[in-house]
Amino acid sequence: DGGITQSPKYLFRKEGQNVTLSCEQNLNHDAMYWYRQDPGQGLRLIYYSQIVNDFQKGDIAEGYSVSREKKESFPLTVTSAQKNPTAFYLCASWAQMNTEAFFGQGTRLTVV
Amino acid sequence: AQSVTQPDIHITVSEGASLELRCNYSYGATPYLFWYVQSPGQGLQLLLKYFSGDTLVQGIKGFEAEFKRSQSSFNLRKPSVHWSDAAEYFCAVGADSGNTGKLIFGQGTTLQVKP
Repeated sequence: DGGITQSPKYLFRKEGQNVTLSCEQNLNHDAMYWYRQDPGQGLRLIYYSQIVNDFQKGDIAEGYSVSREKKESFPLTVTSAQKNPTAFYLCASWAQMNTEAFFGQGTRLTVV
Repeated sequence: AQSVTQPDIHITVSEGASLELRCNYSYGATPYLFWYVQSPGQGLQLLLKYFSGDTLVQGIKGFEAEFKRSQSSFNLRKPSVHWSDAAEYFCAVGADSGNTGKLIFGQGTTLQVKP
């Protein structure tokens, strides 16, 4: 089945550690996105990539980094510079022909 | 700058009653508009979308929405709510004039359904 796979579903991080969230898609979509979700704030865009080897900052990129070495993969690293990383992270890809975003099931990151 | 407002943070309706979730947007041109639904701890599922044509759009699960340019609104409706509709609902607008996938989301509305 085609879709977006995020792993792990739950992730715990100690303060000061970097951690990488995985996002893989087999939908053959060019564009991929990372959103952060906090209660009462909706989804906010962290980074996005519209083509391999290229990506742009979203509205809340500070403390995060990404790479896009393959069309299928768009990992997000939450660095120690991110002051409040505890949140639900959602990865999405965009089907331009359908004008539709497809979302993964999310990763819940907790700083302990 | 584009923005989306969902005025109602939490709504409770009885099963079988009608539902309307409000969404107001700020955008200069004709917007791409979306409604998504999210069950707890899950990703988002598209309910319906609008970017041109008929201003009343039908979606999945019996939902519909009407685009009203004069009111900058894109309210979601369902004539009869089922208990399985309890979830969080997000309205979103395309952030760019083109079909790029950058979306700006509202804060979300949590729907509770009473038996």
